[in-house]
Order: sequence, then C-alpha cells, then structure tokens
Amino acid sequence: GAGVSQTPSNKVTEKGKYVELRCDPISGHTALYWYRQSLGQGPEFLIYFQGTGAADDSGLPNDRFFAVRPEGSVSTLKIQRTERGDSAVYLCASSLSGGPVDEQFFGPGTRLTVL
Amino acid sequence: KQEVTQIPAALSVPEGENLVLNCSFTDSAIYNLQWFRQDPGKGLTSLLLIQSSQREQTSGRLNASLDKSSGRSTLYIAASQPGDSATYLCAVILITGNQFYFGTGTSLTVIP
Repeated sequence: GAGVSQTPSNKVTEKGKYVELRCDPISGHTALYWYRQSLGQGPEFLIYFQGTGAADDSGLPNDRFFAVRPEGSVSTLKIQRTERGDSAVYLCASSLSGGPVDEQFFGPGTRLTVL
Repeated sequence: KQEVTQIPAALSVPEGENLVLNCSFTDSAIYNLQWFRQDPGKGLTSLLLIQSSQREQTSGRLNASLDKSSGRSTLYIAASQPGDSATYLCAVILITGNQFYFGTGTSLTVIP
C-alpha cells in the first residue's frame, strides 16, 4: 500500500485478556517503530526493528509487552494480561533504512481500550 | 533523557490571526526536529522537518525555526483558518538515536 496501515483501528478488551495489534509498513522499509500515546500525551517510543530483529526495545514498559517482525515486514505488538493503564493509541511508523537520517512515516494508530 | 516541552498546551484564536507555537528540548545533540499535526482519532501528519544544521523551514503558511544551542523551536502559522484546528506535536531525534522524543502537544482551535 501507499502508507503505513494498522489493524484493527479500534480494539476493546477486558482486563486480563491478551491482544495483538498489527502494523503493515511501507513496502521496502526496513525500519519499523512502535509508539504508545496515552490520552493528552505525546507518543512515547516502545520498540524499534531493523529488519527482523529488535534493535532497541528499551521503551517496552514491562514483560507483558512483546513485539515480533518475523519476515522483516509486518509487525505484531502483543500485550499479555492487559491492564486498564494499557489503554492508549498505539502508533506504528516505518522508515526506509532506519537511523536519524530517514524520515519516519506514521500509521493511523490502533486505539486500545481495556475495560 | 531528552525532555520535550510544548507551550501553550492549548490555544484558541479567531480566524485570520497569526500565531506561534513553542517547543523546547533539553538535549541539544539532536539530528533533526519535526513538527507534526494530529487530528482527533487520527495518526500523525508531518508538517515540517528541520535538520540540525538548518535554522528554519517553510511550507505555505507554516514556518518553523530552530535554535539548537538554546534548545528551542517555534512553529509560526500565518493567517490561521478553522481547518488548522488540530493538535500540533514537536519531536526530536538525537544524533545517536533512532526514536522520536515527542512533546505533549499544543491543541489549537481556530474560531470562524
């Protein structure tokens, strides 16, 4: 596709459940980023992939959060035992080759609500 | 850790006014600074990107300046329109990093 896409656009779940959020980057982009935006805040970095590997996962808040990118394209953010504090918009971005040189293009986000 | 602050948090102006949004950051070792627009329930739209070696960038009615040594950037919007109503986010990338550090945004309302 022409841009970064994310599915689902909205996800409502109950506390304690497991959720998966999907990101399809721009074709040919090797770098992929996940950010989390809580209400009234700016996005905060979660994890950065270069190809299939997580080059920087320092932003993941705890071990309930995990992300994969097995074929170096689509990525899935996985959240176990969801808590109400996980409610936020999860944004994905991709760039051509990573690093500060390349511009990051953002997807529309997935709004996660944990009841 | 890089801290990015945006002032004001919210701004309401009548249509046609010129306005300035402010962004400050604590670590001046940035590679670039970018201004984004975010509409309610939407993702981020890039407005202007300023490389650390540049002083300003212009696009249409928008002008962004960068003073890296003082850790400040401003976004100037000329002749504001109701369609400019949105949240404006400032973000920086460090020379050594890959991730954006975002401010908390300025929510702009332009009243017809």
